[in-house]
Amino acid sequence: SAVISQKPSRDICQRGTSLTIQCQVDSQVTMMFWYRQQPGQSLTLIATANQGSEATYESGFVIDKFPISRPNLTFSTLTVSNMSPEDSSIYLCSVAAAGGSYNEQFFGPGTRLTVL
Amino acid sequence: KQEVTQIPAALSVPEGENLVLNCSFTDSAIYNLQWFRQDPGKGLTSLLLIQSSQREQTSGRLNASLDKSSGRSTLYIAASQPGDSATYLCAVFTGGGNKLTFGTGTQLKVEL
Repeated sequence: SAVISQKPSRDICQRGTSLTIQCQVDSQVTMMFWYRQQPGQSLTLIATANQGSEATYESGFVIDKFPISRPNLTFSTLTVSNMSPEDSSIYLCSVAAAGGSYNEQFFGPGTRLTVL
Repeated sequence: KQEVTQIPAALSVPEGENLVLNCSFTDSAIYNLQWFRQDPGKGLTSLLLIQSSQREQTSGRLNASLDKSSGRSTLYIAASQPGDSATYLCAVFTGGGNKLTFGTGTQLKVEL
């Protein structure tokens, strides 16, 4: 299994500001994923972060709002830009276990974001 | 478009009871199905992974089955304990982008 850490664990931010969330994995992984979980909802995939290429965004999510960096095989960041109260959610990163595309996925502890 | 539904949405049982959580998905062309546990305000803990070629997986008091052709999976929890109280999520992995599609979750409460 992979051990994933996220920073910060939680934050309270003002409308119009930006927050960068960090995700660190204890092993090298090809693909990292960023999810959003709005209050009382299930998880929705924001984007897939590949090392050495641009992130792939899901429908409804754009790079200007959620820029992603993937500088190496163990680290990624997600920025939530120009925040509004609707961005209040838990943001989670995940990775797929080594050995192929169809293996088990592991999740970080999440970042709980509240926008006032 | 893959859609995943979980029934029931919420469940409250007395300690010691055996229980079954249900997950259904609309597109049977999946590579695997994964069950997760989420405690309030926390991340997800992987419980069981079933590959599309498998029928079931077991871990301790947990047993998950998969009927791919009918688009269904069940998570069986034996001898439930208060520590099992959490939200249980199933997710299916389909191709075309290595994408997990999550169900709506079942919120379980096991009472003393």
